[in-house]
Amino acid sequence: KAGVTQTPRYLIKTRGQQVTLSCSPISGHRSVSWYQQTPGQGLQFLFEYFSETQRNKGNFPGRFSGRQFSNSRSEMNVSTLELGDSALYLCASSSTSGAYNEQFFGPGTRLTVL
Amino acid sequence: ELKVEQNPLFLSMQEGKNYTIYCNYSTTSDRLYWYRQDPGKSLESLFVLLSNGAVKQEGRLMASLDTKARLSTLHITAAVHDLSATYFCAADGDSGYALNFGKGTSLLVTP
Repeated sequence: KAGVTQTPRYLIKTRGQQVTLSCSPISGHRSVSWYQQTPGQGLQFLFEYFSETQRNKGNFPGRFSGRQFSNSRSEMNVSTLELGDSALYLCASSSTSGAYNEQFFGPGTRLTVL
Repeated sequence: ELKVEQNPLFLSMQEGKNYTIYCNYSTTSDRLYWYRQDPGKSLESLFVLLSNGAVKQEGRLMASLDTKARLSTLHITAAVHDLSATYFCAADGDSGYALNFGKGTSLLVTP
């Protein structure tokens, strides 16, 4: 079974621009979560989607948004980029069919904001 | 606010030695997850611990969960260089949909 895929793998943007990241979950997984990883703050939860609905959102400004499509693929968007948005953005998928929330992570998108 | 704290944050150990990484969490969730991350790579799921007293082992790694103490441990037995990586523990958030991660333990195994 193919794992979680993310595109693009690397991005370089300048301040003020916007960016869209894409994530395709493991086949059959309907929950997709996004995390930001930085050396200073570690791994922080951004948001989670299930059946095209955002069920939970982390403590990030409104510049960070996301959506999920009917095929469970998800995108996240960051508008008006700031230097501090430079990070590894990880997408994870989960089946949610069991009693726990084991999440499987994609390779990540490395975003650099100049 | 849910807190997940790991210690130590950095660990350098010799091959063949044993050591334990500790993970304390503040949520009432009884589910605890361990992940491994190699430099420049994504997170790999190692263990899912679902109940008090749960113990899981894979090779030289053994994870356990004490929900009363809100403590999980990752024990490394007879370390080898291939175990060098960063290890994260995570607990379910209040909503059950988000994972709250510790800061990670950066492990270096030296000859």
